[in-house]
Amino acid sequence: AQSVAQPEDQVNVAEGNPLTVKCTYSVSGNPYLFWYVQYPNRGLQFLLKYITGDNLVKGSYGFEAEFNKSQTSFHLKKPSALVSDSALYFCAVRDGAQAGTALIFGKGTTLSVSS
Amino acid sequence: EAQVTQNPRYLITVTGKKLTVTCSQNMNHEYMSWYRQDPGLGLRQIYYSMNVEVTDKGDVPEGYKVSRKEKRNFPLILESPSPNQTSLYFCASSERRSGANVLTFGAGSRLTVL
Repeated sequence: AQSVAQPEDQVNVAEGNPLTVKCTYSVSGNPYLFWYVQYPNRGLQFLLKYITGDNLVKGSYGFEAEFNKSQTSFHLKKPSALVSDSALYFCAVRDGAQAGTALIFGKGTTLSVSS
Repeated sequence: EAQVTQNPRYLITVTGKKLTVTCSQNMNHEYMSWYRQDPGLGLRQIYYSMNVEVTDKGDVPEGYKVSRKEKRNFPLILESPSPNQTSLYFCASSERRSGANVLTFGAGSRLTVL
C-alpha cells in the first residue's frame, strides 16, 4: 500500500532564511510525487510534481523539491522564505506503476514565516 | 477561468437533516473526487468518479452518497448527517485519475453538524 509521511506538524522560519518541508513516501512501484499548498480559506493549489527525469524539480512561487530515491524522500525547499509563504503544505504520492490508483496525501505541515 | 465551484461554502445543520454539497467544474475533466480534511488527518478521499455514471468508494465513504449524471457535476449527499461528519470538504477534478494528472480543487465547504 502506498503512503506518505510529513514528520513535522509545523515549521517555523524567519523571513529571508531557507526553508525545508519534509516528506517521505512508500510505494511499490515508481512514485509520482506532488506538493500542494493551502492558504487560509482557500482550496489546495498545485506547486510542483516529480514524475521522472531530473531529481530537482522547480515549481511555482520559487519553490523546488528534490527527489531522493534511496531515502524515499521528496522534501520541499525554498532558498529565501517570504511571510506570504505561510500556509499549510501537503505532500502527495501516487503509485505510477498502477494505473488508476488514488492520490494519497500526507497530514500536512504548517509553515510559519516570521518577519 | 478554469475552476471547480463548490456550494455552499459554509453550512451549519442539525443531525439527521439531509443536505447536498454541490460541485461543478468547467474544464471538461473526466475524473472528480471528494475529500474531507480534518486536523491531524490530512485529506481523505470519500468518493470518486472516473466518468459519467461511474462512481466508486474512497477511503471514508460511510454516511455519504454521490452521483455523476453529468460530466461537470458531482454532488456530495449526506442523507442523515451526524456530528462526526463535521469537517472541511473539498471537491477536486482532473483529466483522468491516473498518472501525472494534477488535481484542481474547489475552495472548500465547511460543514458543521450539531
